[in-house]
Amino acid sequence: QSALIQPASVSGSPGQSITISCTGTNSDIGAYDFVSWYQQHPGKAPKLIIYDVTNRPSGVSDRFSGSKSGNTASLTISGLHAEDESDYYCSSYTNSLALVFGGGTKLTVL
Amino acid sequence: EVHLLESGGGLVQSGGSLRLSCVASGLIFSNYGMTWVRQPPGKGLEWVASISGPGGPYYPDSAQGRFIISRDNSKNTLSLQIVSLRVEDTAIYYCAQGGVFGVAPQNWGQGTPVTVSS
Repeated sequence: QSALIQPASVSGSPGQSITISCTGTNSDIGAYDFVSWYQQHPGKAPKLIIYDVTNRPSGVSDRFSGSKSGNTASLTISGLHAEDESDYYCSSYTNSLALVFGGGTKLTVL
Repeated sequence: EVHLLESGGGLVQSGGSLRLSCVASGLIFSNYGMTWVRQPPGKGLEWVASISGPGGPYYPDSAQGRFIISRDNSKNTLSLQIVSLRVEDTAIYYCAQGGVFGVAPQNWGQGTPVTVSS
């Protein structure tokens, strides 16, 4: 159950769009459409922003969107706001009935 | 609104044991799988254990028998017992609703900190 691979950091200016990738294997991301994304501000608990690859929980801005191709999932944030600056984690269910997380990506809004 | 409140964290010596609890409200507790996730200082999220509504447990290989997850549906309470604690178990421990059978952990508690000293 190796961790999913995310870039350590990404950055963008207000109003721009950014994409965070999350690479796994055909035992996790490639096996099911059970990929989720979390936003975590410093000192706070993670917040679910995307589940089942593309779905947003109620109350999450439609500026957040998810996708998947093969063993790689992606989170796109469009129209960056200053408050989007945070850590982002991907997660996937695996074919061994486990949960696996990515190492996290720090988003900086310039 | 779902509310999860963890407790039981603290400072423990290496080799000791600890029992964490999570009390849930705002949901029919027995209908949902529950999960523990931890986060070492300055590091990422790590899955610790999950349990189905009826009580079937799931662990990563790294648990090595030191983590025991359980639940009491009559008390809306999730528990995690950790034995043979190691310095590297130092982390904030979060409980979350979901995490079983592909359901993403959706609602999270604020976490309880565990510090293991040598």
